[in-house]
Amino acid sequence: NAGVTQTPKFRVLKTGQSMTLLCAQDMNHEYMYWYRQDPGMGLRLIHYSVGEGTTAKGEVPDGYNVSRLKKQNFLLGLESAAPSQTSVYFCASSPYSRGRGEKLFFGSGTQLSVL
Amino acid sequence: DAKTTQPNSMESNEEEPVHLPCNHSTISGTDYIHWYRQLPSQGPEYVIHGLTSNVNNRMASLAIAEDRKSSTLILHRATLRDAAVYYCIPPGGYGNKLVFGAGTILRVKS
Repeated sequence: NAGVTQTPKFRVLKTGQSMTLLCAQDMNHEYMYWYRQDPGMGLRLIHYSVGEGTTAKGEVPDGYNVSRLKKQNFLLGLESAAPSQTSVYFCASSPYSRGRGEKLFFGSGTQLSVL
Repeated sequence: DAKTTQPNSMESNEEEPVHLPCNHSTISGTDYIHWYRQLPSQGPEYVIHGLTSNVNNRMASLAIAEDRKSSTLILHRATLRDAAVYYCIPPGGYGNKLVFGAGTILRVKS
């Protein structure tokens, strides 16, 4: 059981380049999330999805786009990368919550550097 | 939205118990409190969550104050592998999304 898998693990971009980060989960979870973590700081939510075909903005959505065409995949896109987007990106998934809050399962992260 | 307050850092000796406090005075009566931790160079992992009564699992115990304005995560015997950032997180609301604060950096000395 792989859990949450992020691809790639490392990437270096030049300013203005575009790229897509892929998150895949094999737990049949309804919810998926993209977070970023800057050095010495907590995680900040970029976008999230409550089901296939749906997406919503989190705390810091500017400069990113997402898509959830299949339930198991959640893609994060950077159309024109900027140095301020240098960060570690974490994907997570969780089951549908019935009010008590289900736990999130996180991937191992993608280290992105924008030069 | 409910907010939490945690100390920036704490230190413990190996094999000793650790009590990590969290203040969540604005939490509502039906909100669960969640704890996650993040080991160096890894993604966060779930530790425990609870509503009113104390909770135990193989990783830790969670003691929730009677007025629910605070809680304490208890590691019964800290090991070097428990050195991590510990996050106390209020409920995520719609979509179960979690908002992480700065957390408490736990250092464990051998």
